[in-house]
Amino acid sequence: EDKVVQSPLSLVVHEGDTVTLNCSYEVTNFRSLLWYKQEKKAPTFLFMLTSSGIEKKSGRLSSILDKKELFSILNITATQTGDSAVYLCAVVSGNQFYFGTGTSLTVIP
Amino acid sequence: DSGVTQTPKHLITATGQRVTLRCSPRSGDLSVYWYQQSLDQGLQFLIQYYNGEERAKGNILERFSAQQFPDLHSELNLSSLELGDSALYFCASSVAGGNNSPLHFGNGTRLTVT
Repeated sequence: EDKVVQSPLSLVVHEGDTVTLNCSYEVTNFRSLLWYKQEKKAPTFLFMLTSSGIEKKSGRLSSILDKKELFSILNITATQTGDSAVYLCAVVSGNQFYFGTGTSLTVIP
Repeated sequence: DSGVTQTPKHLITATGQRVTLRCSPRSGDLSVYWYQQSLDQGLQFLIQYYNGEERAKGNILERFSAQQFPDLHSELNLSSLELGDSALYFCASSVAGGNNSPLHFGNGTRLTVT
């Protein structure tokens, strides 16, 4: 059975801290791994990763994929209160998107 | 703004009733996915359409059905509603349905069954 596991379930940090969110997966026909940020409404797309070892970066957010060990990490540096959200990891297997349950990040001023 | 439009934003109805949720995908996207998100669960995949045809089914109840029309908009029909059907229902679209193109989500329809 295809599955995606995210850790930790929740995280509380202070502004300025650096956080690392984890996503591990077991799927039969891996195509890509995606990260989303969900605030109050729709998940918004952050990154898509298809190749191992190639870091994707957008401002203070970065992500990397390890296809041998079947995991990805999402790093957020110099966190701000606006980073508070649920971060979702999704893995595409075939043409299906399998989502983890998310990591809830709270950034305290 | 993702370009995916869902209506209505909120829906309050009674047990036993039937409702229809509507979704217009992003311009150019052929694939539509429906997801259910409850408080204690993550995004649960319901069903996928590609260019008008059903492509995959997830944990969709028999009381639920969906379709994608020739203009690519999609509707999710929920019938004989139960309290446990209260949730946020998301529609998402992609260019080709998993072919290394991301999903883009609408803002969801919040369904409350009383």
